[in-house]
Amino acid sequence: AQTVTQSQPEMSVQEAETVTLSCTYDTSENNYYLFWYKQPPSRQMILVIRQEAYKQQNATENRFSVNFQKAAKSFSLKISDSQLGDTAMYFCAFETGFSEPSIRQGAQKLVFGQGTRLTINP
Amino acid sequence: SAVISQKPSRDICQRGTSLTIQCQVDSQVTMMFWYRQQPGQSLTLIATANQGSEATYESGFVIDKFPISRPNLTFSTLTVSNMSPEDSSIYLCSVEDVFFWESSNYGYTFGSGTRLTVV
Repeated sequence: AQTVTQSQPEMSVQEAETVTLSCTYDTSENNYYLFWYKQPPSRQMILVIRQEAYKQQNATENRFSVNFQKAAKSFSLKISDSQLGDTAMYFCAFETGFSEPSIRQGAQKLVFGQGTRLTINP
Repeated sequence: SAVISQKPSRDICQRGTSLTIQCQVDSQVTMMFWYRQQPGQSLTLIATANQGSEATYESGFVIDKFPISRPNLTFSTLTVSNMSPEDSSIYLCSVEDVFFWESSNYGYTFGSGTRLTVV
């Protein structure tokens, strides 16, 4: 079974600082996708960034980037120039169900980590 | 990206009763997913709902407790039956979606969740 582990229950940084959230996962699959979601107090789950396991290049979306280490099964999220609006719970998630690296067998379930509560202080 | 309308947003229910949660998507989707988020916890998949077939339940979840309907490609309901305080959670529906970003083109969109409190 796939498992996702987030070892940092809580983190707190000052506005404009850079923060890195950790995530490790366990799987015997070779083809999978990884996600970071944020859940602010409104409880809306918002997709932050996604990484395909077959891609060596780390994904980047504006201030958000990942450090994907496939051999180590590690998928950390870096938030640069943090903003007050980044305050939220952050969940790492894992998706399998691929016969080939880029061929998905339809929508699949996500396995989530326990979450990291991130607070950005003014 | 898809827009999901989930209702109700919250409810307080008496133990032993049932609550039906609705999810309406503004586009047709093949599969819809129902998750539970217990207080202070992560999300756990309850079941996957395909249109025109019975839902597929994850280990620890059964149809008698969480019946699901999927009458068409834009709508699904989850019922929490014979509720107990242990059912107090946030329930979320989710669908596969397309995101036109620089580094990705799909992900999953979630409804805003239903906060259920059983007393």
